[in-house]
Amino acid sequence: SYVLTQPPSLSVAPGQTARITCEGDNIGRKSVHWYQQRPGQAPVLVVHDDSDRPSGIPERFSGSHSGNTATLTISRVEAGDEADYYCQLWDTDADFGTGTMVTVL
Amino acid sequence: QVQLQESGPGLVKPSQTLSLTCSVSGDSISSDFYYWSWIRQHPGKGLEWIGYIFYSGSTYYKQALYSRIAMSVDTSKNQFSLNLRSVTAADTAVYYCARTPGATTRFFDSWGQGTLVTVS
Repeated sequence: SYVLTQPPSLSVAPGQTARITCEGDNIGRKSVHWYQQRPGQAPVLVVHDDSDRPSGIPERFSGSHSGNTATLTISRVEAGDEADYYCQLWDTDADFGTGTMVTVL
Repeated sequence: QVQLQESGPGLVKPSQTLSLTCSVSGDSISSDFYYWSWIRQHPGKGLEWIGYIFYSGSTYYKQALYSRIAMSVDTSKNQFSLNLRSVTAADTAVYYCARTPGATTRFFDSWGQGTLVTVS
């Protein structure tokens, strides 16, 4: 299985851009997916297959993948974006990242 | 729009079996396009995939939990279930059911609200 490392926390001012990274050995050849989990709620898929957005997810959420790092970018951050964010990929099992708590200042 | 809802006891004694059911509405569990997964989250911790089942009954479990897991599906009720045997306090978690598109890159596009199961 993969060890996917994310920064534990990230603070960003409203209107600014948040970039959340997900690192793992040789993940460049894997598709990475991202989830948002607001406090007390179930996770919500915000990006799949590196950069595809499910219907209903704002264009402010975008994903990219280069080498051993995948990145979720949230543009024009809003108060409602305050949440935990997890990356995930599929190898022999589904592996989740360690999670990043995003705080909107 | 698909909706998933977990149900089952919120308290299980150590060494007993944890049993949960996920009821699916707005989509047929007999779809060729989806697998149906269980995922858990220990209190204050990250997410852990447990396994998934296809409507035919074929299953795939997390290797580390393989010996204690059994999943089943009831297509007539549009439900699938999880049994986790010989539980300990380490199995205390919020348990989610989720829909998994059956592509090679598996992810979870719809989730239930989750149910807290305490082992004590």
